[in-house]
Amino acid sequence: DGGITQSPKYLFRKEGQNVTLSCEQNLNHDAMYWYRQDPGQGLRLIYYSQIVNDFQKGDIAEGYSVSREKKESFPLTVTSAQKNPTAFYLCASIAAGAGEGFFEAFFGQGTRLTVV
Amino acid sequence: KNEVEQSPQNLTAQEGEFITINCSYSVGISALHWLQQHPGGGIVSLFMLSSGKKKHGRLIATINIQEKHSSLHITASHPRDSAVYICAVRRYTGTASKLTFGTGTRLQVTL
Repeated sequence: DGGITQSPKYLFRKEGQNVTLSCEQNLNHDAMYWYRQDPGQGLRLIYYSQIVNDFQKGDIAEGYSVSREKKESFPLTVTSAQKNPTAFYLCASIAAGAGEGFFEAFFGQGTRLTVV
Repeated sequence: KNEVEQSPQNLTAQEGEFITINCSYSVGISALHWLQQHPGGGIVSLFMLSSGKKKHGRLIATINIQEKHSSLHITASHPRDSAVYICAVRRYTGTASKLTFGTGTRLQVTL
């Protein structure tokens, strides 16, 4: 079955350490997105990638980095420069036609990151 | 002011009640999505709307493009409907489709 997988589900990090969150999809979607969710706030876009070897900053990219070496994979690194990294992180995989036509979005189960 | 506003933020209902969750937005959109987030955090897509009304089982979603408003209705609510319901608007920027999310409505349905 096609789907999108995030791992791990829970992650603990010491202050000052970088940590990488995994996101894999087998849906053959070109576009992948990383969002952050905080209590009382909507999902906010961190980074997105429309195609392999290319990615764009979202609204809150500072302190994060990504790579897109394969179509199936879009890992997110939370660096020590991120001042408030404790949050719930969601990965999404999206297929969209040109303009306002076809659109299909799948979300991962999320990773809850806690800085200790 | 957020581009996407949902109300109420929290909602408690008894089993069998009719539930309405509202979403208002302030930007031009390609489509509006209703999503359901379960306690574990995973999100599933319920509806995608660009006009009119859609129905799936006990769920009904409507959108009024002129008024920039959408509603999600749940008929004969059940405890398994307890979740966070999120409204998201989609805009096509010329190079990518982007989603902007509301803060969600937490629904608790009790017996």
